[in-house]
Amino acid sequence: SQTIHQWPATLVQPVGSPLSLECTVEGTSNPNLYWYRQAAGRGLQLLFYSVGIGQISSEVPQNLSASRPQDRQFILSSKKLLLSDSGFYLCACSSLGFGANVLTFGAGSRLTVL
Amino acid sequence: AQSVSQHNHHVILSEAASLELGCNYSYGGTVNLFWYVQYPGQHLQLLLKYFSGDPLVKGIKGFEAEFIKSKFSFNLRKPSVQWSDTAEYFCAVINNNDMRFGAGTRLTVKP
Repeated sequence: SQTIHQWPATLVQPVGSPLSLECTVEGTSNPNLYWYRQAAGRGLQLLFYSVGIGQISSEVPQNLSASRPQDRQFILSSKKLLLSDSGFYLCACSSLGFGANVLTFGAGSRLTVL
Repeated sequence: AQSVSQHNHHVILSEAASLELGCNYSYGGTVNLFWYVQYPGQHLQLLLKYFSGDPLVKGIKGFEAEFIKSKFSFNLRKPSVQWSDTAEYFCAVINNNDMRFGAGTRLTVKP
């Protein structure tokens, strides 16, 4: 079965500093990868998804970017954080075949921008 | 882009009461539908899913959901809730790798 590792689990950063959240996947190959932001009362907001190396679809114009340098690695970045970037970020994956489109989620990364 | 609406923000029930959580989506094409659950302090996990076939799908822990295509709905039901069902429930829709979630419904079950 698939396992997702996300780090760091928590992060406190000043406004204007850069960001890098990492997500790696085990137990599958060629997964679809997703970054979501979870906010209380607003559910999960899809930020980016990727169907392959170097292929990124952005859903919400914002201060963040994503990259997929390897098949099972997905990185969420920012050059300069804003206060509004604070939140809980979830990485998820799905893979082809039986159970396709079923997402497995990581434990999340809580970002606080001060 | 498709969207998902969950109309109930917070539902409070007593144990043994029946549950129905509403979910409507906007996309008119072929979609796969899901309910995910997040228990306090735990990861999101799949409760049930609909891909095709019988529109009444059964999931774990006695939950079921009915896909009504004409109403663009996929409501979640359970005939008798338990205190352990206290959690946040998310409806989700996927089309062509684009998976969207609703805002979530927090369910509190009083013992």
